[in-house]
Amino acid sequence: RKEVEQDPGPFNVPEGATVAFNCTYSNSASQSFFWYRQDCRKEPKLLMSVYSSGNEDGRFTAQLNRASQYISLLIRDSKLSDSATYLCVVNIGGYQKVTFGIGTKLQVIP
Amino acid sequence: NAGVTQTPKFQVLKTGQSMTLQCAQDMNHNSMYWYRQDPGMGLRLIYYSASEGTTDKGEVPNGYNVSRLNKREFSLRLESAAPSQTSVYFCASSEQGIGEQYFGPGTRLTVT
Repeated sequence: RKEVEQDPGPFNVPEGATVAFNCTYSNSASQSFFWYRQDCRKEPKLLMSVYSSGNEDGRFTAQLNRASQYISLLIRDSKLSDSATYLCVVNIGGYQKVTFGIGTKLQVIP
Repeated sequence: NAGVTQTPKFQVLKTGQSMTLQCAQDMNHNSMYWYRQDPGMGLRLIYYSASEGTTDKGEVPNGYNVSRLNKREFSLRLESAAPSQTSVYFCASSEQGIGEQYFGPGTRLTVT
């Protein structure tokens, strides 16, 4: 099993739709979780951290489920500008233990 | 405030040639990283530097060397390029080991 697994997609959704991505991780000792956004041929940028209590930022909500070892990202009222690849990042402590998922590609359609 | 800068943006090398990728950050961050990104593989850590004067191997260090020249600069060297090193290389920095990483714009390297 990979350390961090994501469905690569693409997820094609109409504007205004709600879409959710999951990311599973294999190491139960994982401590920190993040979602990054990467636009085509650009660098990744932090979208949001994922806390045990969940995290909401406008239309974006991130959740952590330690029992089932996954994190999720929910995007409400999708905009065309949300089209990007969303990377799941898991850190189990220390610099060597940062693992990036392959990313889930989202395409929002007019 | 430029954030993280990388040079060059694009490079084509022949097998066996050497080159150095440059990275600099102006955020006074302690930690710096070099990643490569390949289709279907995700970002993989090549080397990192927890602080000025220290460097350590990441997941895929073979064929690379690094130098933490000072707090601002972290370079990646390919001594003898191979086609398997064709990739997009990202440099990143963070204030500390765990937390938000800021990425440079990347270097697209092709080795023929």
